[in-house]
Amino acid sequence: KAGVTQTPRYLIKTRGQQVTLSCSPISGHRSVSWYQQTPGQGLQFLFEYFSETQRNKGNFPGRFSGRQFSNSRSEMNVSTLELGDSALYLCAVGREGLHGELFFGEGSRLTVL
Amino acid sequence: GIQVEQSPPDLILQEGANSTLRCNFSDSVNNLQWFHQNPWGQLINLFYIPSGTKQNGRLSATTVATERYSLLYISSSQTTDSGVYFCAALDYKLSFGAGTTVTVRA
Repeated sequence: KAGVTQTPRYLIKTRGQQVTLSCSPISGHRSVSWYQQTPGQGLQFLFEYFSETQRNKGNFPGRFSGRQFSNSRSEMNVSTLELGDSALYLCAVGREGLHGELFFGEGSRLTVL
Repeated sequence: GIQVEQSPPDLILQEGANSTLRCNFSDSVNNLQWFHQNPWGQLINLFYIPSGTKQNGRLSATTVATERYSLLYISSSQTTDSGVYFCAALDYKLSFGAGTTVTVRA
């Protein structure tokens, strides 16, 4: 079973700032995808990376971006934060992503004031 | 993308009762998973079940892929079973249902 580490776990930002979140899968899990969870919209897909390439992207504005490094660690960045970006951000990892089981990290809870 | 519908939205059970949660999905999928979200927000894997039946203790799940639905059974419910249960279907992304909030009363 994958152990997925997300950092930071909690953070508070103000409108207009930017934030970077990190997701570290264990070895062998090269697919990393990101999800946003809010009370109003539920769990929504942001993007998915595999072998350092973004393969799929959800319906979010360009302020949301991500990348993946050669060790499969992934970061997502949100620029020019808005109040509505307050959410739990979850990353999921899998061996190849489009098939097989996905495992989630504990999440990063972002509050924008 | 795939549409996922879960029912019921809320379920209140007396400890010891059995229950069934349902998940309907709109298209064929590569993967179907059930999760339990803990109070801190983490999604805990319950089942990876694109088809067939699996059991894990008091929980079991069945997916009938040809009819595009999956069921999660909770038997002899305990207060620790309380929480939100999600099913999610994967094509290129996980599409989640809105969840079923289960409350088990002692």
